[in-house]
Amino acid sequence: EAQVTQNPRYLITVTGKKLTVTCSQNMNHEYMSWYRQDPGLGLRQIYYSMNVEVTDKGDVPEGYKVSRKEKRNFPLILESPSPNQTSLYFCASSLFSGAGANVLTFGAGSRLTVL
Amino acid sequence: GQQVMQIPQYQHVQEGEDFTTYCNSSTTLSNIQWYKQRPGGHPVFLIQLVKSGEVKKQKRLTFQFGEAKKNSSLHITATQTTDVGTYFCAGPGSNTGKLIFGQGTTLQVKP
Repeated sequence: EAQVTQNPRYLITVTGKKLTVTCSQNMNHEYMSWYRQDPGLGLRQIYYSMNVEVTDKGDVPEGYKVSRKEKRNFPLILESPSPNQTSLYFCASSLFSGAGANVLTFGAGSRLTVL
Repeated sequence: GQQVMQIPQYQHVQEGEDFTTYCNSSTTLSNIQWYKQRPGGHPVFLIQLVKSGEVKKQKRLTFQFGEAKKNSSLHITATQTTDVGTYFCAGPGSNTGKLIFGQGTTLQVKP
């Protein structure tokens, strides 16, 4: 089944404890992206990647890192999490980033709480 | 910067009533997409509109893309409880790899 898989789905952690949220897709998509969703703010893009070893900042990249060493994986790294990073995170992918091929498939989401 | 605005933020309707959400972009869009997120779920692609003035229907849902390709709307006829969720519009950023989402419209339907 074509899908985007995120782990963990739920995580409670403490301020400053490094964590990684993994994201993997099995559709050979070139484009991958991370979003965070907060009440009243919709989906805000954190980072995106147009291909292997090509990443770029979205609208809210502060406090996050990403890497794209393989086409299928796009982990989100929080080096020193803070309470304002408590949020619902979605990984998404699409075939390409250009018009006509940029329909996103989303993962199930990862709910992160930072105490 | 480029923005995609969506109104209203929330809408409560009685089952059977119609519902419309509006999406406006600060720039001309090459295409616009609509997604639905059920409560507790993730956004799921509904449709993509590409042509100026395009209208597409999916059963009770009607999607429109404005003539100037800067606005769009989603209209649901005779809402049902299964329509509950948040509807997002999204458009590609100019000269970037971004897909910019509106804030979403959350629809609640009273049975």
